Amino acid sequence: AQSVTQLDSQVPVFEEAPVELRCNYSSSVSVYLFWYVQYPNQGLQLLLKYLSGSTLVKGINGFEAEFNKSQTSFHLRKPSVHISDTAEYFCAVSAPNYGQNFVFGPGTRLSVLP
Amino acid sequence: KAGVTQTPRYLIKTRGQQVTLSCSPISGHRSVSWYQQTPGQGLQFLFEYFSETQRNKGNFPGRFSGRQFSNSRSEMNVSTLELGDSALYLCASRAGDSPLHFGNGTRLTVT
Repeated sequence: AQSVTQLDSQVPVFEEAPVELRCNYSSSVSVYLFWYVQYPNQGLQLLLKYLSGSTLVKGINGFEAEFNKSQTSFHLRKPSVHISDTAEYFCAVSAPNYGQNFVFGPGTRLSVLP
Repeated sequence: KAGVTQTPRYLIKTRGQQVTLSCSPISGHRSVSWYQQTPGQGLQFLFEYFSETQRNKGNFPGRFSGRQFSNSRSEMNVSTLELGDSALYLCASRAGDSPLHFGNGTRLTVT
């Protein structure tokens, strides 16, 4: 079975500053990795995904993430955040080749301060 | 392409009642999954349906059930509602091994 850890439950950051949201996973098989964002009163929206290939993945809204197999991490980064980036961010893993469903982390609340 | 549609958006029910939530997936998506989201427990997987068959099931009591129709639309039912069932219920669809595409959820309040 897989598990996902997001060490920071809340991350406050000032507007235009860089941010990194951390995600670590545990799995005995190869996995796909995802980051989702959830704005208030909405569902989850896919930010980016890693399936294979280049370990640096670029997503929407200027976000990117790097897959590190040796550290079993998939941290999300943005060089300069905006007020509109304030939301909840979820890291997720899936192992479809092994019939495993998506497993989500507990989420990180990003608050961008003016 | 229309996204995942969940109805209703909000529901208020009383303890002991039952409720049915509906989900229309993205056209062409045959897999529909349901999640419960609460502040304390986060996102918890309920079940997944594929071609009208339950393919995976999470760790929820039998009061939670679902079904999928031939057009891939899905419903989930919760019987004998408890206060702790108050949550945002999210439906997500996907095609093959693609990422999950979520609807905006149904906010259920049990009083």
